[in-house]
Amino acid sequence: SQQGEEDPQALSIQEGENATMNCSYKTSINNLQWYRQNSGRGLVHLILIRSNEREKHSGRLRVTLDTSKKSSSLLITASRAADTASYFCASQGGSEKLVFGKGTKLTVNP
Amino acid sequence: EAEVAQSPRYKITEKSQAVAFWCDPISGHATLYWYRQILGQGPELLVQFQDESVVDDSQLPKDRFSAERLKGVDSTLKIQPAELGDSAMYLCASSLRGLRTEAFFGQGTRLTVV
Repeated sequence: SQQGEEDPQALSIQEGENATMNCSYKTSINNLQWYRQNSGRGLVHLILIRSNEREKHSGRLRVTLDTSKKSSSLLITASRAADTASYFCASQGGSEKLVFGKGTKLTVNP
Repeated sequence: EAEVAQSPRYKITEKSQAVAFWCDPISGHATLYWYRQILGQGPELLVQFQDESVVDDSQLPKDRFSAERLKGVDSTLKIQPAELGDSAMYLCASSLRGLRTEAFFGQGTRLTVV
C-alpha cells in the first residue's frame, strides 16, 4: 500500500482539551499537508508544511514535521465540538502526487 | 467561491453494469485527481492528470476503470463492469500547477454496487 499511517486511529476528548494526531509517511517529500473531513463529505485543506520547515502554526493548529523520522504531528488546541471530524495527512513528492494516510477519527464531547 | 463540482452525488448500480462519474475542477486548475475512499479509510489515489495528460495511474484497475480529461478541463471516471467491491466514495480534487499548493475537493460520489 502506498498509504502512510495515522496514529491513533480514533481519539475521543472533552471540549477544551488538546488533541494530538501523528502521521508517518513512506517516501521523501516536498511538503506534507493536513486535511479534515466531516462525515460523508469532501476533504478540506487545513495546513501545509514544507520539507525544510519544522513547525507551523495556523490559529489553533500546530503542525510539526520530522523528515528524518518521516513523521508529522497535528495539534489542535482548546478543542471544540465542531472539531469532530476525521483528519488525514497527505504527503506530496516531486510529481505532485498527493498520498493520504488512513486518518484519525476525532470526537470532541461537549 | 469556486468549487469542484461532482455528479452524481449518489449512484446505485447493479454489478456488471457500467457507471460513470463526472468532475468539473476549479477554473484554471491544471492538476486533477480522482480518489477512491472506502468507508473508514483514507483516500486512495486512482489517477492524476496534468492538463489532459495522465501523470499517474499506477493504482487504477485498468481492466475495468478508465479516466479521461479530453480538453484538460472536466473529467470522467468510468467503471465497466462494476463489482461489489467498487462500493465506495469517489472523490475528485483539483489544484493549481506546481508543488506546495493545496488540493480542493468536491463533495464526492457515493457509489453502491448491488
